[in-house]
Amino acid sequence: ETGVTQTPRHLVMGMTNKKSLKCEQHLGHNAMYWYKQSAKKPLELMFVYSLEERVENNSVPSRFSPECPNSSHLFLHLHTLQPEDSALYLCASSQDFGNEPQYFGPGTRLLVL
Amino acid sequence: QQQVKQSPQSLIVQKGGIPIINCAYENTAFDYFPWYQQFPGKGPALLIAIRPDVSEKKEGRFTISFNKSAKQFSLHIMDSQPGDSATYFCAPRGDFGNEKLTFGTGTRLTIIP
Repeated sequence: ETGVTQTPRHLVMGMTNKKSLKCEQHLGHNAMYWYKQSAKKPLELMFVYSLEERVENNSVPSRFSPECPNSSHLFLHLHTLQPEDSALYLCASSQDFGNEPQYFGPGTRLLVL
Repeated sequence: QQQVKQSPQSLIVQKGGIPIINCAYENTAFDYFPWYQQFPGKGPALLIAIRPDVSEKKEGRFTISFNKSAKQFSLHIMDSQPGDSATYFCAPRGDFGNEKLTFGTGTRLTIIP
């Protein structure tokens, strides 16, 4: 196991629902990331937190809201999503932000109806 | 502007063959060159990585070749096995703040018996 866990593993939600994705890393890392992976598209970086501060936000719609309460936990709050937001959402961590290997969780497969 | 170009998009190789996947980048500030391997239903996992002070690195059946002047690096899989069938991503990196985090588009590798 990579030491990065994600819950839930699968999620189906309507466009009016509010849900949250959770990520936890047990590696003592300082940086955590949210990625979106859609079919036939490259991995898209959404958010980066380093030492619990957001350091990168790649023009992600406001219907996605990240939260990093401490260096081990990362959340992605979802509200009023669109069907095109259906994808695999991956969490990753690294020792520090920059030229370090990243360790990924198994992802949450999200379907928006 | 696409910072990272990965090729080919898909590759089918017979067992025992040597698939080669290439990654071309533009940012000369990159100084960490990893390859990630992703199996269906799993998050990507670091496979092998190289720093620019060497031109080649070998770990088991996996080899990275690095050409700094051409701004390219490639992954070679020796004696390929059906279990190597996966999607492979390159993800060159630089120091904190120097560049946008970018993954290649991925190469879907199939090893046929």
